[in-house]
Amino acid sequence: SQKIEQNSEALNIQEGKTATLTCNYTNYSPAYLQWYRQDPGRGPVFLLLIRENEKEKRKERLKVTFDTTLKQSLFHITASQPADSATYLCALEGYGNKLVFGAGTILRVKS
Amino acid sequence: NAGVTQTPKFQVLKTGQSMTLQCAQDMNHEYMSWYRQDPGMGLRLIHYSVGAGITDQGEVPNGYNVSRSTTEDFPLRLLSAAPSQTSVYFCASRPGGGGEKLFFGSGTQLSVL
Repeated sequence: SQKIEQNSEALNIQEGKTATLTCNYTNYSPAYLQWYRQDPGRGPVFLLLIRENEKEKRKERLKVTFDTTLKQSLFHITASQPADSATYLCALEGYGNKLVFGAGTILRVKS
Repeated sequence: NAGVTQTPKFQVLKTGQSMTLQCAQDMNHEYMSWYRQDPGMGLRLIHYSVGAGITDQGEVPNGYNVSRSTTEDFPLRLLSAAPSQTSVYFCASRPGGGGEKLFFGSGTQLSVL
């Protein structure tokens, strides 16, 4: 069955460092991969989308990579700030209009 | 624009009761969907719709009904609530087909006693 894995343990880093979050998947051939941010008590907010034929995408301090051979996406936040503390969700989509989410990784940035 | 609006924000039901979670969007999006979020399990797709009059099942459809009579509204009905349906429910929409971002509502926290 399809499976999406994100680090279940929280990632704690120091302000100014680069945070790297991992999304691994099995039994899936996604056409698109998306990353969302979720704050407590709120709905997820879209951050970045990358297509299967793209290796890397950047937006300001954010970078996402997509390796369809390794079946893995990495999400990087450079020069992290305490305001970046949140839960980050990856989501995969094939060609059938269904966006499937991972359980998310909690990021804590300490000043 | 209000975006995606969900009501109510909180609801407590007794086992066996029925209720409807409301979702409305003012962005003229064709695609709308319902997810439930449980601790450690992420967001799971319940039902989705690619346009008025068209609905389809997601990963966990049992116990839930939907309909899409207008582009704006996509209500989720619980016919006979069970404790296993205690969760946070999110409605989300996007303009059309694949490869587009989802816009989420603020969620409904449902407890079934």
